[in-house]
Amino acid sequence: QKEVEQDPGPLSVPEGAIVSLNCTYSNSAFQYFMWYRQYSRKGPELLMYTYSSGNKEDGRFTAQVDKSSKYISLFIRDSQPSDSATYLCAMSADAGNMLTFGGGTRLMVKP
Amino acid sequence: ETGVTQTPRHLVMGMTNKKSLKCEQHLGHNAMYWYKQSAKKPLELMFVYNFKEQTENNSVPSRFSPECPNSSHLFLHLHTLQPEDSALYLCASSQAGSGYEQYFGPGTRLTVT
Repeated sequence: QKEVEQDPGPLSVPEGAIVSLNCTYSNSAFQYFMWYRQYSRKGPELLMYTYSSGNKEDGRFTAQVDKSSKYISLFIRDSQPSDSATYLCAMSADAGNMLTFGGGTRLMVKP
Repeated sequence: ETGVTQTPRHLVMGMTNKKSLKCEQHLGHNAMYWYKQSAKKPLELMFVYNFKEQTENNSVPSRFSPECPNSSHLFLHLHTLQPEDSALYLCASSQAGSGYEQYFGPGTRLTVT
């Protein structure tokens, strides 16, 4: 079993839809949860990070962490074609250097 | 522009060649990382440097040799690679102790022939 599971997609939605991206994990020691966006031929770009459980909002993006279910989500409201990218979740047990990544979900937002 | 640059962006090398990848960060960070990204696989951490000292080697074969001369520069020296080493090599940086906030460069697309 992989430590972090993420559906590879592709996920195709119409412009303006609400998008839900998810990851499950098995290591209960994870405390930091990150979402990265990676455009084709580019490096990953940090979108947001959350510590422990709860929600965090940044513009059209909302990150949710449910540690009891070992499940994290990223919601994108009013999705735009420019949101088309691969979204990577990442997690770590402490504030140190070791991140464990999911395999990424490819999102396509169609005009 | 993420503040982390990598050169070259593309590299084709034979299995007997020696080449080096370069990474430079302009963010004032003191931790730097090398990752390997292969198709259909999660990002794999290769090496971590904190304050120029290597603190993590994730069982990487010796044909990959990192070098960190200062907190702003990181190199990955390559020799006698295998075709399965073809991948996107990504450099990242962060403040030491804030590894949850890593910033990535654009990567070097490496093809081993």
